Amino acid sequence: GESVGLHLPTLSVQEGDNSIINCAYSNSASDYFIWYKQESGKGPQFIIDIRSNMDKRQGQRVTVLLNKTVKHLSLQIAATQPGDSAVYFCAENRGGDFGNEKLTFGTGTRLTIIP
Amino acid sequence: NAGVTQTPKFRILKIGQSMTLQCTQDMNHNYMYWYRQDPGMGLKLIYYSVGAGITDKGEVPNGYNVSRSTTEDFPLRLELAAPSQTSVYFCASSTMGGGYGYTFGSGTRLTVV
Repeated sequence: GESVGLHLPTLSVQEGDNSIINCAYSNSASDYFIWYKQESGKGPQFIIDIRSNMDKRQGQRVTVLLNKTVKHLSLQIAATQPGDSAVYFCAENRGGDFGNEKLTFGTGTRLTIIP
Repeated sequence: NAGVTQTPKFRILKIGQSMTLQCTQDMNHNYMYWYRQDPGMGLKLIYYSVGAGITDKGEVPNGYNVSRSTTEDFPLRLELAAPSQTSVYFCASSTMGGGYGYTFGSGTRLTVV
């Protein structure tokens, strides 16, 4: 069935190193993707998004890459800091009538930054 | 701005009891959503609303009801609570659908025993 999934449920990275979190999607009609960060006890927080007509988008210390050929999305975090420790979700908009599109979320990857 | 406010933060219910999870936003967003998050799982959409007076079912609506009498408020009602409804519930709002600009509340952790 269609799904948004993550390759790795957990990831540990040394402070200062770069981290890469991956996400696979299976619906080729999806046209909008978002990465969220969720800290313990809090709601998801928007990090960065990308539309399907782009293959790369950069923010502050974060970059999202979209490979539509293999239906793969990744989030790169540069120079990781202790505050980056959280669960990261990808989400896709699978399309629909305008105004009624809904997001489908992946299961999340827990990123732990090692001091 | 307070953003999206959810109350209560924690609640323990007995099987068969009912309760209302409150959600209010002060950003004048038309779109509001209720999600549940089970351990190790992604968020699942329960109900959503595209404006006052309009609600629709999401992926997992059974056992829940919603209403949207005002732009600000989108309460989620649990009738006859069951252990399967033990979860963390998140409310979100946005100016438009499709995932654009969602703002999430901090969640309500519900345990049904």
